Amino acid sequence: QVTLRESGPALVMPTQTLTLTCAFSGFSLSTNGMCVTWIRQPPGKAPEWLARIDWDGDKYYNTSLRTRLTISKDSSERQVVLTMTNMHPVDTATYYCARNFYGKYYHDYWGQGALVTVSS
Amino acid sequence: QSALTQPASVSGSPGQSITISCTGTSSDVGGYNYVSWYQQHPGKAPKLMIFDVGNRPSGVSDRFSGSKSGDTASLTISGLQAEDEADYYCSSYTGRSTLVVFGGGTKLTVL
Repeated sequence: QVTLRESGPALVMPTQTLTLTCAFSGFSLSTNGMCVTWIRQPPGKAPEWLARIDWDGDKYYNTSLRTRLTISKDSSERQVVLTMTNMHPVDTATYYCARNFYGKYYHDYWGQGALVTVSS
Repeated sequence: QSALTQPASVSGSPGQSITISCTGTSSDVGGYNYVSWYQQHPGKAPKLMIFDVGNRPSGVSDRFSGSKSGDTASLTISGLQAEDEADYYCSSYTGRSTLVVFGGGTKLTVL
């Protein structure tokens, strides 16, 4: 059974750095072809693709957010971390991690999401 | 502004069929067969309904089908049921560094 779960702060001050963790089970990032993606969704708006990390360590970023984002995986191959620097109120959103496969661009399993509010 | 254009809302009565369009460009929807559709109920994570234009994941009702013509993809739901009322989002591979773009979403109301 594949599950993903996001964790991190619910409230972040403007200019601070956000760190979110995606812990997953039912698959491993050490498996060839496996990938984990971060996607966010502001309240009442459409999802926005943020970043992806592949089993081999390759990373891809949303061009418009590239300077603020870092995606990484830990040695267990069962956690992925996303950091976003210089947070603004417009970054308020539910942040999701999701599984996908190399060469495929759909996300078959999603976490329940972590709502992050940026406010002073 | 989303990269893919969807109608803001569609509606239909139980038992009817509806179609939601998703218009992109030759650089995304029209250039690849990597269009996906997601269903999202309030307060829930998106759920994959269609992948690679017209394929259904295991467990998704065959009332849901997808197609593509040129730069426009479509999701058709036949035999509308009350439980189909939700927001629907399309997405596509872009071939660029930002690998995936989403549509603005369509709210389906079952009358």
